Amino acid sequence: AQSVTQLGSHVSVSEGALVLLRCNYSSSVPPYLFWYVQYPNQGLQLLLKYTSAATLVKGINGFEAEFKKSETSFHLTKPSAHMSDAAEYFCAVSEAGTSYDKVIFGPGTSLSVIP
Amino acid sequence: DAGITQSPRHKVTETGTPVTLRCHQTENHRYMYWYRQDPGHGLRLIHYSYGVKDTDKGEVSDGYSVSRSKTEDFLLTLESATSSQTSVYFCAISPRDEQYFGPGTRLTVT
Repeated sequence: AQSVTQLGSHVSVSEGALVLLRCNYSSSVPPYLFWYVQYPNQGLQLLLKYTSAATLVKGINGFEAEFKKSETSFHLTKPSAHMSDAAEYFCAVSEAGTSYDKVIFGPGTSLSVIP
Repeated sequence: DAGITQSPRHKVTETGTPVTLRCHQTENHRYMYWYRQDPGHGLRLIHYSYGVKDTDKGEVSDGYSVSRSKTEDFLLTLESATSSQTSVYFCAISPRDEQYFGPGTRLTVT
């Protein structure tokens, strides 16, 4: 069975500092991996996705994530945090090629950016 | 925007009453989903649909039913609402590998 773990339910960084949000997954088949962002009172928005192409994936708003099979990880990073990055971030995994019923979401990490 | 709307956006209802939430898409996508979001749980799949009249259960389907009579509409019904169903409900569509989400419905059961 697939599962997703996000280390740290709350992360605080200073404006301009590195953002690192951790995601580890388990999957018995090659995974598709996703990061979504949720701003207050809004739905989830796709930040980036890994679908078995390049292991370093670039997304919107300067975020990127690296797929590391040996570590079963897909950590999200951004070199310099901006106040507008404060939001909830969700990592998700699905079985490659089957998006309809096998997307499993992690519990989320709330990112605070300190001025 | 992926062209997904949800109605109502907010609803307060009493325990034991039936409630129907509507998801409407303008994208003509085959797959549609209903999730609930609760603190500490992320999103959990309630039901999904892979076509008109084709639906299946997700992880937390007890107490919920769905219907899809048209491609564009996916309805979620709580037959007899309970306080444990107080949550934020999201609809999503899946044009490719990823999912696109609606704005959510905040449901409170008193």
